[in-house]
Amino acid sequence: LAKTTQPISMDSYEGQEVNITCSHNNIATNDYITWYQQFPSQGPRFIIQGYKTKVTNEVASLFIPADRKSSTLSLPRVSLSDTAVYYCLVGPFQGGKLIFGQGTELSVKP
Amino acid sequence: GAVVSQHPSWVICKSGTSVKIECRSLDFQATTMFWYRQFPKQSLMLMATSNEGSKATYEQGVEKDKFLINHASLTLSTLTVTSAHPEDSSFYICSAREVETQYFGPGTRLLVL
Repeated sequence: LAKTTQPISMDSYEGQEVNITCSHNNIATNDYITWYQQFPSQGPRFIIQGYKTKVTNEVASLFIPADRKSSTLSLPRVSLSDTAVYYCLVGPFQGGKLIFGQGTELSVKP
Repeated sequence: GAVVSQHPSWVICKSGTSVKIECRSLDFQATTMFWYRQFPKQSLMLMATSNEGSKATYEQGVEKDKFLINHASLTLSTLTVTSAHPEDSSFYICSAREVETQYFGPGTRLLVL
């Protein structure tokens, strides 16, 4: 299973764009990249998923370079409610188990 | 997105008793579900993979006789913590796979006195 490395913590201010980069050097050909958000005492919430290039939805964008050895989650114009832990996971999308790394604790300040 | 529920959301029990936690996929069928445990200020730790109609697969170091998993239908998996002890107090989270994405339940807080 591919191991991921993320910054332990990040600080931002309301209204700013936040980019969190995840390194996954040994990603396999059939691995997808998925990002989750977790608030204290809640289960992780799906944010976005991609295989290559760029994926965008109503809450975030995911940038994946051609070599797929890293990925960047981009959160536009964060608010205080975006303060949470963000996890980058890499794994086979068909029935494969997801192993969580340490995640990135994002703190958004007013 | 797909919804996964857990019941109960929190439970307090006495040491030595057994506790059952249910995980349901509400609007999709899941042949595979997963159980995680999370201690304060730590990441989620995978405990086991629950397969509908077959035995669960446990991660190394997880006692299968202590954490009984039953995946009897395509929408329900249960985790039973047998003879619970204070060190089993934790936040238990399940997830269910829909196509290529896993969706997580809200979690169950277990406190063993």
